[in-house]
Amino acid sequence: NAGVTQTPKFQVLKTGQSMTLQCAQDMNHEYMSWYRQDPGMGLRLIHYSVGAGITDQGEVPNGYNVSRSTTEDFPLRLLSAAPSQTSVYFCASSTSSSYNEQFFGPGTRLTVL
Amino acid sequence: DAKTTQPTSMDCAEGRAANLPCNHSTISGNEYVYWYRQIHSQGPQYIIHGLKNNETNEMASLIITEDRKSSTLILPHATLRDTAVYYCIVRMITGGGNKLTFGTGTQLKVEL
Repeated sequence: NAGVTQTPKFQVLKTGQSMTLQCAQDMNHEYMSWYRQDPGMGLRLIHYSVGAGITDQGEVPNGYNVSRSTTEDFPLRLLSAAPSQTSVYFCASSTSSSYNEQFFGPGTRLTVL
Repeated sequence: DAKTTQPTSMDCAEGRAANLPCNHSTISGNEYVYWYRQIHSQGPQYIIHGLKNNETNEMASLIITEDRKSSTLILPHATLRDTAVYYCIVRMITGGGNKLTFGTGTQLKVEL
């Protein structure tokens, strides 16, 4: 199993550009989440999904859209990038059991100029 | 989810036990204690979790006080590769899509 994969690893955008961060998992996990991590801080939840077709907002959802059309994929869309969105983005997945552990991807480092 | 308090940083000599404390005085009865760690620039990695009883796995031990208001993660024989930020997280047993609320964690530095 590849686990949780994220692409791209690095990205530089100009203010106002849009892009999609890709996340995929091959473990048939129901739950998937997107977090962002700013320097010196812990991770903050952006959006999450409890299954295909179901998404919900996390702590910091503004400026981001998600969809979950398949169990495997959970893309994160930046509609109009802003410098405040410069961060490292992590995708995670887990089963729906009560004792689940989350598996995290390697992260995407995004810089918005 | 209950808030947690951890020391900002700790040092440990290689080969010695690393004891990382966490205070979660407002934890409720339906919340687990989870520990994750993040090695520099990588995604967080699950270590262990518990509800009431002490837990042990191949990576670490988790000691939870009887009143559940604090816990300690023990790495029995720390190595240089254990240098990381360790996050103590309290999470509800069910619901919420497995959301995790990360604080700033404890930066553990293991030295020779």
